[in-house]
Amino acid sequence: QITLKESGPTLVKPTQTLTLTCTFSGFSLSTGGVGVGWIRQPPGEALEWLALIYWDSDEHYSPSLKSRLTITKDTSKNQVVLTVTNMDPVDSATYYCAHSTYYYGSGMDAFDIWGQGTMVTVSS
Amino acid sequence: DIQMTQSPSSLSASVGDRVTITCRASQGISNYLAWFQQKPGKAPKSLIYAASSLQSGVPSKFSGSGSGTDFTLTISSLQPEDFATYYCQQYNSYPRTFGGGTKVEIK
Repeated sequence: QITLKESGPTLVKPTQTLTLTCTFSGFSLSTGGVGVGWIRQPPGEALEWLALIYWDSDEHYSPSLKSRLTITKDTSKNQVVLTVTNMDPVDSATYYCAHSTYYYGSGMDAFDIWGQGTMVTVSS
Repeated sequence: DIQMTQSPSSLSASVGDRVTITCRASQGISNYLAWFQQKPGKAPKSLIYAASSLQSGVPSKFSGSGSGTDFTLTISSLQPEDFATYYCQQYNSYPRTFGGGTKVEIK
């Protein structure tokens, strides 16, 4: 059974760097085709795709946030970390991590299992 | 970036109704489209991938169709547990953009 759980601060100040950790079980991020991504959702708003890292360390970022995001993985700890620099109140949101599964028939991968999310507020 | 446009943004329906939600991509994405259901205060749940393939454990009242730029999610007979917000997402290219969501409310 695949599970993911996000952890990190609930409150950060403007200009600070946010570090979020996704700790997962039920799969290995060294298995071919597997990925873990981050998505956020401001209160009352839609989902926003942020970043994705694959088993082979291939990384992809949202172009609008690329300069502020870094995604890394620690395969031995079953963790994926997202850092967001220069936080602003508009970055207040629930941040989710999700498992991306590879569909061999199509040769593409998509999110299937999500963590419960962690709410982050940016305020001085 | 590929823009994903869902319509309607909200709808009111009664238990037992057939409901259809549409999702349009700003360029062709083949069938690389997923649908998610999100209930208030909860994480999204994957319903459909590859435009029409049901995730394991998802009831068959949910169905998806489409290819290219136009897609639909249909709920054949709306039940109380189906009142939620539904999102489409393309995974044809990066960034893997989501639609704006469709909130399905009780009439």
